[in-house]
Amino acid sequence: DGGITQSPKYLFRKEGQNVTLSCEQNLNHDAMYWYRQDPGQGLRLIYYSQIVNDFQKGDIAEGYSVSREKKESFPLTVTSAQKNPTAFYLCASSSTGPSNSYEKLFFGSGTQLSVL
Amino acid sequence: AQKITQTQPGMFVQEKEAVTLDCTYDTSDPSYGLFWYKQPSSGEMIFLIYQGSYDQQNATEGRYSLNFQKARKSANLVISASQLGDSAMYFCAIMDSGAGSYQLTFGKGTKLSVIP
Repeated sequence: DGGITQSPKYLFRKEGQNVTLSCEQNLNHDAMYWYRQDPGQGLRLIYYSQIVNDFQKGDIAEGYSVSREKKESFPLTVTSAQKNPTAFYLCASSSTGPSNSYEKLFFGSGTQLSVL
Repeated sequence: AQKITQTQPGMFVQEKEAVTLDCTYDTSDPSYGLFWYKQPSSGEMIFLIYQGSYDQQNATEGRYSLNFQKARKSANLVISASQLGDSAMYFCAIMDSGAGSYQLTFGKGTKLSVIP
């Protein structure tokens, strides 16, 4: 089955620690995205990547970093600079990227990050 | 102004009845797409339905239909014959071009509860 796999489902971070969230897709999609969801809020874009070795900042990139070394993988690192990291993180992918108004995004099942 | 406004934080509907979830949007882009996603308690975002700004007819997908009123900038989701499994958060989103590239912007969502 094609889809997007996020791991772990739950993650805990200590003060001053960097943590990395995994996202893998086997849909052969070019574009991948990371969104953050806070309680009672919609999703906000952190980073996106349209091709390997290239990525762009979204609306709330501060305190986060990403890499795109392989088409299938787009890990997100939450750095110690992110002072309020507790949130639900969703990874998504799309066929070609944010280049048209009908690009449908497919989502993973998310990672809940909490601060100890 | 908010790009996507969902005015109903929570809605209740009796099983087998129809329900309408409201969504209004704000964009100056003539070419845009409107999406509805469902988020069950498991966390995954599930695509439901899409409406393009140039589409002449309202979109339909099974029990889901979109009441698209372009002049009023509204794109309400209608779910017919509600089922218990429809209980979830529902998000309206718009794909339009901001500063040079298309981006998907989400509303804050509506929590739908289906009553047996």
